[in-house]
Amino acid sequence: RKEVEQDPGPFNVPEGATVAFNCTYSNSASQSFFWYRQDCRKEPKLLMSVYSSGNEDGRFTAQLNRASQYISLLIRDSKLSDSATYLCVVNMAGTASKLTFGTGTRLQVTL
Amino acid sequence: EPEVTQTPSHQVTQMGQEVILRCVPISNHLYFYWYRQILGQKVEFLVSFYNNEISEKSEIFDDQFSVERPDGSNFTLKIRSTKLEDSAMYFCAKKAVDTQYFGPGTRLTVL
Repeated sequence: RKEVEQDPGPFNVPEGATVAFNCTYSNSASQSFFWYRQDCRKEPKLLMSVYSSGNEDGRFTAQLNRASQYISLLIRDSKLSDSATYLCVVNMAGTASKLTFGTGTRLQVTL
Repeated sequence: EPEVTQTPSHQVTQMGQEVILRCVPISNHLYFYWYRQILGQKVEFLVSFYNNEISEKSEIFDDQFSVERPDGSNFTLKIRSTKLEDSAMYFCAKKAVDTQYFGPGTRLTVL
């Protein structure tokens, strides 16, 4: 089983749509969870951390279900500028340890 | 969050040659990381570096790779004898409070 698994997509959605991405991780002892965004041939950029209580940042909502080892990202009112690859990222040990990445889910928002 | 810079942005080299990739954090940090991303694949951890010593490394980080902080500021990744399969984006990252921030990357092309 992959350490961090995501549907690669692509997800093609019209502007204004709501889209949800899911991710599962294999290590139940994982400690920290994140969504990063990566534009083509650019570096990963932190979108948001993910907490068990769920958290929201503007149009973006992230959820964590530790029992199911499942992470989600919801994007409301999609913009053209949201087109990117969304990376599910897990830190399986302390905060200073390595990050483990999923392969990413590609989102294309169209007019 | 203060950024990380990397040089060069693109390096082309012949197979068997040595390359040195550089990372310059803007502020003083103790933790640094190198990751790589082969085109079309996920971001993979190579090595973490704490207080001038390697703290963790992956299976990818074999004897061909080395890291150092030669002048207390720049943080370098050296590949001694490059192979075709070393062609990838190489990202330097620095630790923040609970996650990592990535530099813009160096695209390494091995011919």
